[in-house]
Amino acid sequence: GQNIDQPTEMTATEGAIVQINCTYQTSGFNGLFWYQQHAGEAPTFLSYNVLDGLEEKGRFSSFLSRSKGYSYLLLKELQMKDSASYLCAVRSTDSNYQLIWGAGTKLIIKP
Amino acid sequence: SAVISQKPSRDICQRGTSLTIQCQVDSQVTMMFWYRQQPGQSLTLIATANQGSEATYESGFVIDKFPISRPNLTFSTLTVSNMSPEDSSIYLCSVGTGNRAEAFFGQGTRLTVV
Repeated sequence: GQNIDQPTEMTATEGAIVQINCTYQTSGFNGLFWYQQHAGEAPTFLSYNVLDGLEEKGRFSSFLSRSKGYSYLLLKELQMKDSASYLCAVRSTDSNYQLIWGAGTKLIIKP
Repeated sequence: SAVISQKPSRDICQRGTSLTIQCQVDSQVTMMFWYRQQPGQSLTLIATANQGSEATYESGFVIDKFPISRPNLTFSTLTVSNMSPEDSSIYLCSVGTGNRAEAFFGQGTRLTVV
């Protein structure tokens, strides 16, 4: 079957660094996405990895290891506005454009 | 990228009635996706809407309950039929486009059935 696992909830302090992990088991692999979703809003795109390694974009970075079926999203210099759910999604090779979604990690930022 | 306009943004409906949700995309896309998201949970795919053919439904979702129209490459509707309180949820339309085929979402429809 196809499965994506990520922690349900994490708490971090403003100004700190947090790493949100995602492991996946899918039929083939054609890219991994991270999305941010604030309460009551639609998900918005954060990052994309298709090759192994680290992709950096400002305060956010995403890492991928295809051999391990593993990714993480790293958030630096945390701000209160980073409090949101972070969704990991994988595109398998079974279907074009259809993404398999993780359950999301709710990140709570404390002052 | 793609910009999706989804209407209505929210509605409160009586049980037994139906609600039609519309999504308009600013560019032509091959496939549109309809999701449901229960509070605090992730996205559950209802169906994939293809232009010129019937929608493809995921396990647990049927056409009689969630009829979908896709009259052209920029527009789709999802109807939630014969609603019950269990249908209260956020409904999202989405498209995948671009080199990465990343997902873009409409603003969502927050449905409450009373």
